[in-house]
Amino acid sequence: NAGVTQTPKFQVLKTGQSMTLQCAQDMNHNSMYWYRQDPGMGLRLIYYSASEGTTDKGEVPNGYNVSRLNKREFSLRLESAAPSQTSVYFCASSEQLAPRSEQYFGPGTRLTVT
Amino acid sequence: QKEVEQNSGPLSVPEGAIASLNCTYSDRGSQSFFWYRQYSGKSPELIMSIYSNGDKEDGRFTAQLNKASQYVSLLIRDSQPSDSATYLCAAGFQKLVFGTGTRLLVSP
Repeated sequence: NAGVTQTPKFQVLKTGQSMTLQCAQDMNHNSMYWYRQDPGMGLRLIYYSASEGTTDKGEVPNGYNVSRLNKREFSLRLESAAPSQTSVYFCASSEQLAPRSEQYFGPGTRLTVT
Repeated sequence: QKEVEQNSGPLSVPEGAIASLNCTYSDRGSQSFFWYRQYSGKSPELIMSIYSNGDKEDGRFTAQLNKASQYVSLLIRDSQPSDSATYLCAAGFQKLVFGTGTRLLVSP
């Protein structure tokens, strides 16, 4: 039981490049989330998926898109990376939509945009 | 804007002491409260959840909730150097909001 997994662990992009961050969970959770964490800013919600087939914007969605591929997988895409998107990205999942149930986090992706 | 406030610290305690971490929240309708531990360079790890007023104990950890004062705390008894980490508080009703965390340092 791996919990929440994310790939890649590290990535360096040049401004304007695109990439997709992958997330998968094996806990049969309904809801999945993408956060970014910056020093002094705490965790900020980018997008979430309450259940398979639905996605919604969070607090900081600009510059990102998501796909809930199936119940297990939720990907985050940066279409044209900017230095302001340098951050640590965490995927999380929960049985029900937060805050009604506990969220479990993946190991994170450290992204640097130069 | 709904907020969760935590003192950034660091909070320094000697090994074996009780560490008390505090958190206040602005959304009076918040129903769910969580404490996460985050080691440097790692992801947040759930320690405790609490949903009703009072205390909830789990091993060396006790979460305390006072909805009237909009205050939630985490007590760590018999603190160990391995408890040194940043502790994140989260609260919410329709949306979960995270605080920026309190850094705890436990010295041997």
